[in-house]
Amino acid sequence: DADVTQTPRNRITKTGKRIMLECSQTKGHDRMYWYRQDPGLGLRLIYYSFDVKDINKGEISDGYSVSRQAQAKFSLSLESAIPNQTALYFCATSDPRGWSTDTQYFGPGTRLTVL
Amino acid sequence: AQSVTQLDSHVSVSEGTPVLLRCNYSSSYSPSLFWYVQHPNKGLQLLLKYTSAATLVKGINGFEAEFKKSETSFHLTKPSAHMSDAAEYFCVVIRGNNAGNMLTFGGGTRLMVKP
Repeated sequence: DADVTQTPRNRITKTGKRIMLECSQTKGHDRMYWYRQDPGLGLRLIYYSFDVKDINKGEISDGYSVSRQAQAKFSLSLESAIPNQTALYFCATSDPRGWSTDTQYFGPGTRLTVL
Repeated sequence: AQSVTQLDSHVSVSEGTPVLLRCNYSSSYSPSLFWYVQHPNKGLQLLLKYTSAATLVKGINGFEAEFKKSETSFHLTKPSAHMSDAAEYFCVVIRGNNAGNMLTFGGGTRLMVKP
């Protein structure tokens, strides 16, 4: 979905390096999410933000941090990358209209490899 | 707690034959359920969603899914597979709470379509 963009699309880095993945959206949604995808595990939630002042940990937040710079921008950082953080990372947004109908819109993903 | 199990990690069909991708869920209350599709090197796209209205849900590209509470299932079907259907499919349950609606993903089913 072109309304949600992620940069970079691919990144190879070394163990111990600091990495930032960026997400921008033009959908005007308040809610933004970061997931990682590993084969056979589906997507797992790392962090989520319901507005600029709200940041929450997901189920696998250890080793990650986030920053919500504006409604449209949500960045994910790996302070000291390790090989088991090699994965496909997705950003998503949602518009919370109606309980239980919170469709999420995903970016194209960032493939991160940590050597 | 909510969980989702996709019963097949890989499904292979011939073009023109029916598709069945199986999903079972567990939820402590009436869930909302989604199917997402991920084409190679692309983000996730919403196929369809069930939100306690009609139990038979029609989605894009000829897919549909039936919510069966007695069987705790939400299987995805299509009468006739097309080559362009080759992708990975994720069954997703939404778990609402006071903080908002979080998605729980199944492990994914990779659909292969043979000519």
